[in-house]
Amino acid sequence: AQTVTQSQPEMSVQEAETVTLSCTYDTSESNYYLFWYKQPPSRQMILVIRQEAYKQQNATENRFSVNFQKAAKSFSLKISDSQLGDTAMYFCAFMSLDYSLKDSNYQLIWGAGTKLIIKP
Amino acid sequence: DTAVSQTPKYLVTQMGNDKSIKCEQNLGHDTMYWYKQDSKKFLKIMFSYNNKELIINETVPNRFSPKSPDKAHLNLHINSLELGDSAVYFCASSQDQGEQFFGPGTRLTVL
Repeated sequence: AQTVTQSQPEMSVQEAETVTLSCTYDTSESNYYLFWYKQPPSRQMILVIRQEAYKQQNATENRFSVNFQKAAKSFSLKISDSQLGDTAMYFCAFMSLDYSLKDSNYQLIWGAGTKLIIKP
Repeated sequence: DTAVSQTPKYLVTQMGNDKSIKCEQNLGHDTMYWYKQDSKKFLKIMFSYNNKELIINETVPNRFSPKSPDKAHLNLHINSLELGDSAVYFCASSQDQGEQFFGPGTRLTVL
């Protein structure tokens, strides 16, 4: 069974600093997606970034980028020039693309989340 | 226009009552989900529907029953509410293995 681990329950940095959130996962599959979702105090779940496992190039979205290490099964999120609006819970998630595993279809496996606080 | 909407956003009710939460998506997605987020923010998949058919049914109490009248709607009915049902319930949708788009959540408080 796949698992996703976020080892940092809470992090706090000053505004404008760079912060890296860690995520590791366990799977025997080779074809999957990885996601980072953000949940601000408004509680809305917002997709931050997506990485396809078959792509070697790390995904980037403006100030957000990932360090995807497939062999190490690591998928960290880097936030550059952090802003007050980045304060949120951040969830790492895994999705299998193995169609032969019925229970895996369409299902996201979630990490426990990291609470990120950006201080002014 | 809201992509995934849920009603109500807040629901306060007494133990033993029956309540429903509605979800609608206007994205044309084939798959819809219900999640429960507990007080520790842990997200747990409850149900998933693909083209009106249940494809995931996690081990949730049978007091919870999803209903999908069409692929744009996935409602959640809860019978005999208990204190432990208090949580935030999220609806989401996706197209195949694409990213999931979430509704705003429904905060359910059982007194």
